[in-house]
Amino acid sequence: AQTVTQSQPEMSVQEAETVTLSCTYDTSESDYYLFWYKQPPSRQMILVIRQEAYKQQNATENRFSVNFQKAAKSFSLKISDSQLGDAAMYFCAPPGTASKLTFGTGTRLQVTL
Amino acid sequence: GAVVSQHPSWVICKSGTSVKIECRSLDFQATTMFWYRQFPKQSLMLMATSNEGSKATYEQGVEKDKFLINHASLTLSTLTVTSAHPEDSSFYICSAKDRLYEQYFGPGTRLTVT
Repeated sequence: AQTVTQSQPEMSVQEAETVTLSCTYDTSESDYYLFWYKQPPSRQMILVIRQEAYKQQNATENRFSVNFQKAAKSFSLKISDSQLGDAAMYFCAPPGTASKLTFGTGTRLQVTL
Repeated sequence: GAVVSQHPSWVICKSGTSVKIECRSLDFQATTMFWYRQFPKQSLMLMATSNEGSKATYEQGVEKDKFLINHASLTLSTLTVTSAHPEDSSFYICSAKDRLYEQYFGPGTRLTVT
């Protein structure tokens, strides 16, 4: 079975500062994608960033970037220049079998002024 | 980007009745759709995988006779909660996968069983 660990139930960051959310996982897949999703109070799941496991270069999407360590099965999300709109639940989603996603328990991010 | 809709967004039903939730991919064909359940302040739990034209694959512990899934076309999957009980009250989310790898999520349906 796939396992996903998000060890930080809650994180807080000041506006304009940087925060890193951690995620470790276990998978038997060799070629896969990993995702970070955010779920704001509206509960709409929004894709933040994806990483292709065969790529050594870490993915970046504007203020969001990942630190992907394939051997360590670690996939952390860094949010730079945090904004109030970044406040949400963040879920790490490494791959399962048959394209299924396994979500971590989530990290609630608070952004303070 | 790809859009997935769900209908209804919120439904209240009486215990013992059945309720159907629709999930549609609006601008792409989804060979695979997924149904999730989310309790308050918890993560998403995958209930079943729905492939167009074939029977759904249910996750362990999910009652297939209670949660009926139909994927009749490449743009529509439905989840029917049969003989609903208060413990079925939850937030149900669908996602649709395009031919590549990405899942696009619907806005969710809040089910309240009284």
